[in-house]
Amino acid sequence: QSALTQPASVSGSPGQSITISCTGTSSDVGDYNYVSWYQQHPGKAPKLMIYDVTERPSGDSNRFSGSKSGNTASLTISGLQAEDEADYYCSSYTSSDILVFGGGTKLTVL
Amino acid sequence: QEHLQESGPGLVKPSETLSLTCTVSGGSISPYYWSWLRQPPGKGLEWIAYISYNGRTNSNPSLKTRVTISIDRSKNQFSLKLSSVIAADTAVYFCARHRDSGMDVWGQGTTVTVSS
Repeated sequence: QSALTQPASVSGSPGQSITISCTGTSSDVGDYNYVSWYQQHPGKAPKLMIYDVTERPSGDSNRFSGSKSGNTASLTISGLQAEDEADYYCSSYTSSDILVFGGGTKLTVL
Repeated sequence: QEHLQESGPGLVKPSETLSLTCTVSGGSISPYYWSWLRQPPGKGLEWIAYISYNGRTNSNPSLKTRVTISIDRSKNQFSLKLSSVIAADTAVYFCARHRDSGMDVWGQGTTVTVSS
């Protein structure tokens, strides 16, 4: 069982927006602005999409955004495109200065 | 553009020690933190351990007793040793660079199978 809880799957049509949630506790997501999100296509290494809850790596698409409320962080993808179909993982630092991951969410673009 | 490359045996026998090295090219190992992660077949990502450029380490409590992570700044490399491996340690192993709270550069991953 993963430390952070994500929905197993989400789906959306091209052009729509979707949101993936990531629920932790007051010892990780809730207490630190150290949440990151990764996109992983099959057979590939993960790619950093969001760090520090809301920050995007320079040059990356602004269709991806992050937020947090309490113990739950969220990744929103707007203007969904076929290439966004992938697995998405959230991660957070904890009070023990270790990293924990969510179980991953499979995004299907209909 | 920094590049990471994992290397090591693809097959390890049960109860033996898995040893992997990550070589950093196109940049310096300082002043970053570096991690090892893994992904069992069909499953999610699991963080194993990190090490700083000056040797500060921390590891996943579930693996702590079996994990050794080290760094060689002169070779621009860091390494992972996982002892007493079992079949459940079969996974793709990734090395990655930390930047702020994320990991922004990843190796391509190397598959390690535990089997006799």
